[in-house]
Parts: sequence; structure tokens; C-alpha cells
Amino acid sequence: DAKTTQPPSMDCAEGRAANLPCNHSTISGNEYVYWYRQIHSQGPQYIIHGLKNNETNEMASLIITEDRKSSTLILPHATLRDTAVYYCIVRVAGGGSQGNLIFGKGTKLSVKP
Amino acid sequence: NAGVTQTPKFRILKIGQSMTLQCTQDMNHNYMYWYRQDPGMGLKLIYYSVGAGITDKGEVPNGYNVSRSTTEDFPLRLELAAPSQTSVYFCASKDSYSNQPQHFGDGTRLSIL
Repeated sequence: DAKTTQPPSMDCAEGRAANLPCNHSTISGNEYVYWYRQIHSQGPQYIIHGLKNNETNEMASLIITEDRKSSTLILPHATLRDTAVYYCIVRVAGGGSQGNLIFGKGTKLSVKP
Repeated sequence: NAGVTQTPKFRILKIGQSMTLQCTQDMNHNYMYWYRQDPGMGLKLIYYSVGAGITDKGEVPNGYNVSRSTTEDFPLRLELAAPSQTSVYFCASKDSYSNQPQHFGDGTRLSIL
């Protein structure tokens, strides 16, 4: 699986957009980009994933660069409840051992009033 | 729709005791996973299963056993608890469709004293 690089921490003002970057320069053509978050030792929560097109759902938007070597997770209007550790994970689609998610240390996002 | 349910939420064991961490999912997912998360670290895969009757080792299987007699249940067994097994344990499940995300339970916080 491709290795990802994320900043260890970021701050964001409440109500503003939070833009969380992720570098995955060695990503392969069949690897997806997944984003999860973990709020205060709860179970990881799935946010969004994509292959090469930009994606949007009710939680966030995912912007993937054309060369697919980096991506940005956007929380459009951050709230205090979005304070969490955000994980960017790159891996091939598949179940079994291929479905295993390798979690790095992620980015700790602190949303401040 | 409860998703992935883990019991118990908390447990304290003495060294050498045994216990079973329960995990059940109601989404009819074929793939299930057990992870552990030590303080300040990412998740590490212990065991996984691609369907009833099929299990396989992950990154850190020593000291643990699993079984998968039904699609819904994937219990994790600790036979001889050791202090190194103090951790938070997360169970996850995933649909067979290749790029679908994993869904996690809320975890079991286990302390071995």
C-alpha cells in the first residue's frame, strides 16, 4: 500500500472550512483514497473515499489532484464536534487482507470557537 | 440498524485470566476485522475473516484466537492475558463489494493488571 503523509496537527476556527491535506506520491492506479476520523478514542468513523474524481457527501468533500499524488479533505463548516484525529489511508479495493486498513498517526484537527 | 456492536465496553483482567470480546454486525457483511489500538498509536490488525468458517492472521495475532461460525459474529479470545494486551480493541466489518469502507464498533477498553 502507498504510504501517506499528513501534518500532525491543524487548527480551524469554528464555522470556517477545514482543509486537511494528504500526500500519497507513490499511489498506484488501482488504489483508492479513504478518509476516516476518530473522535476521542471512539471507533474510527468513515468519512469519504475516492479513486480519481472529486467526491462529496453529507459530511465532506474530497479533492484529488489530477496526478493523484495528493488529496484534500474539506469540512465546509467546521464545528467543535469535528475536533478529532483524521486519517488518510490509501489502499487497493478488496476484502480479506486487501481490505485491511493501515492507520498512520493522522492529523489532529482542533476546531476552536 | 445497529451496525457493529461490541461488548463489553470496559473490562479489567488479572494476568493469566482469559476472556472473549464479542463482536456482532447486522449488515450481512462477509468481511470482519479485529484491530487493537495502543495509546497515541494507529490501529493494528489482529485477525480478519472473509466469511463464516474462514479466518486469517493479521499483523499482531500472537496471544489471540478468533472464530467465525456465523456471518454476524466474530469473537476474539484472549487465553492467557498479559499486560502487553492492555489496549482498546475495535471490531470492523465490510461489504464484499470491493471498494466499500469498513464500519467500526465503539471498541472495548481492556486493562490487564
